[in-house]
Amino acid sequence: DVKVTQSSRYLVKRTGEKVFLECVQDMDHENMFWYRQDPGLGLRLIYFSYDVKMKEKGDIPEGYSVSREKKERFSLILESASTNQTSMYLCASSSTFRARAGHGYTFGSGTRLTVV
Amino acid sequence: GENVEQHPSTLSVQEGDSAVIKCTYSDSASNYFPWYKQELGKGPQLIIDIRSNVGEKKDQRIAVTLNKTAKHFSLHITETQPEDSAVYFCAASNANRDDKIIFGKGTRLHILP
Repeated sequence: DVKVTQSSRYLVKRTGEKVFLECVQDMDHENMFWYRQDPGLGLRLIYFSYDVKMKEKGDIPEGYSVSREKKERFSLILESASTNQTSMYLCASSSTFRARAGHGYTFGSGTRLTVV
Repeated sequence: GENVEQHPSTLSVQEGDSAVIKCTYSDSASNYFPWYKQELGKGPQLIIDIRSNVGEKKDQRIAVTLNKTAKHFSLHITETQPEDSAVYFCAASNANRDDKIIFGKGTRLHILP
C-alpha cells in the first residue's frame, strides 16, 4: 500500500522556536506538496516541489521554508513559529506520470501543530 | 488560474437519504476532477474521480457528474450511512499540463441517525 508518512501527529511548540515537519513517501513520486488546513479555509498550498532540490512557492509561503534533499523526503520549516501558524499541516505526493493519467494526490495523515 | 467553488459548506442528511455536493470551476482547460474524503483525524483520501471525456461515473453508492459546458461537477452519495460523515473536497486540474490540483474549500457532511 502506498504511503505518505508524516513524522508527528501532534506537536506543541513555543513562539519563536524553529519547527521542522517531516514528510516521507515510499512511492518514488516526483512531486510533493505541503498544505495547511484551517476551518472554513480549506486546503491552502504552502510550498511544493517537482524534483529534488527544487521548490516553488504556493499560495501562502510567508513564514515557511522547505527542503528537499532526497526524492522521498520533503520537510517544512517554520523559521520562527508564531501563534497564527497553529494549524493542521498536510503533506501530499503525486507522480508526474500518474497525474497525467489522472490519479491525483496521496496525502499523509497530517500534523496538528499548536504554537503557544 | 483555476478557481474551484464548492457548496454547501455544511450538509446534514438523514441516514438513508441522498447527499449532493456541487462544485464549479473556472478554467475550461481543466480535464481532471477528483473528489477526496477526509475522515476525522486523517488526511484526505481520493474516493472517485472523473475526466472530461466522461459525463458520469459511478462506484457503488457514489457517483460524480460533470457538465463541461456549465463548468459544474457534483458528487452524489445515495443511501447514506454513518460512515459517510466526513469532510469532502472537490478539485480540478489540467492533468495534461501536470497542473497542480486546485481544491474547493470542503463540505462537512453530517449523517443524522
